[in-house]
Amino acid sequence: QVQLVESGGGVVQPGRSLRLSCAASGFTLTSNAMHWVRQAPGRGLDWVAVISYDGSFTDYVDSVKGRFTISRDISKNTVYLQMNSLSAEDTAVYYCAKAIYYDDRDFDSWGQGTLVTVSS
Amino acid sequence: SYKVTQAPSVSVSPGQTANITCSGDKLQYRYVCWYQQKPGQSPFLVIYQNNKRPSGIPERFSGSNFGNTATLTLSGTQSVDEADYYCQAWDSRIVAFGGGTKLTVL
Repeated sequence: QVQLVESGGGVVQPGRSLRLSCAASGFTLTSNAMHWVRQAPGRGLDWVAVISYDGSFTDYVDSVKGRFTISRDISKNTVYLQMNSLSAEDTAVYYCAKAIYYDDRDFDSWGQGTLVTVSS
Repeated sequence: SYKVTQAPSVSVSPGQTANITCSGDKLQYRYVCWYQQKPGQSPFLVIYQNNKRPSGIPERFSGSNFGNTATLTLSGTQSVDEADYYCQAWDSRIVAFGGGTKLTVL
């Protein structure tokens, strides 16, 4: 069955960088778009980024454009989120999520999340 | 950016029907899906493409999307349904989550 496992979270100082990983199993990344969604403590869900099923297209929420980069390694069936110039507003649990079909933007599988805390 | 709005909380008695709404400009022209999230857990898809149920989701969950409002309906609500529910609107250019509705079954 489909499984998504995030890793790479932790405590990081403002202005520093962090790379999150999402290891996928039970399907191949070439079949479905992949997204990152975050949830600040006690808050709602916020969409962060997408990489299309064929890898040709990426998009980001305005607040992370120019700072975050989504990418993937097909050979490892893993999606990444490179986060630079982090600020306290980026503190959240980060989930990777799989699109139901191709480049649809509804998500039928979610990882368990990885917590990123930006603090000095 | 596109925004969708949910009421913060809804209460329902066991066995009754709960309606959780999601409002947005011309929402009917976008797809809407719904997620259930219980404390300490990841979100879980319960309705997609306005009114479709993923495999394994009970029939008591249903969805609609007309005009500016999408609705998640729980018929015969059970205590196990107590959770936060998030709507999400999307098209080829946007993904927008509502702020979430806490469903209390009492």
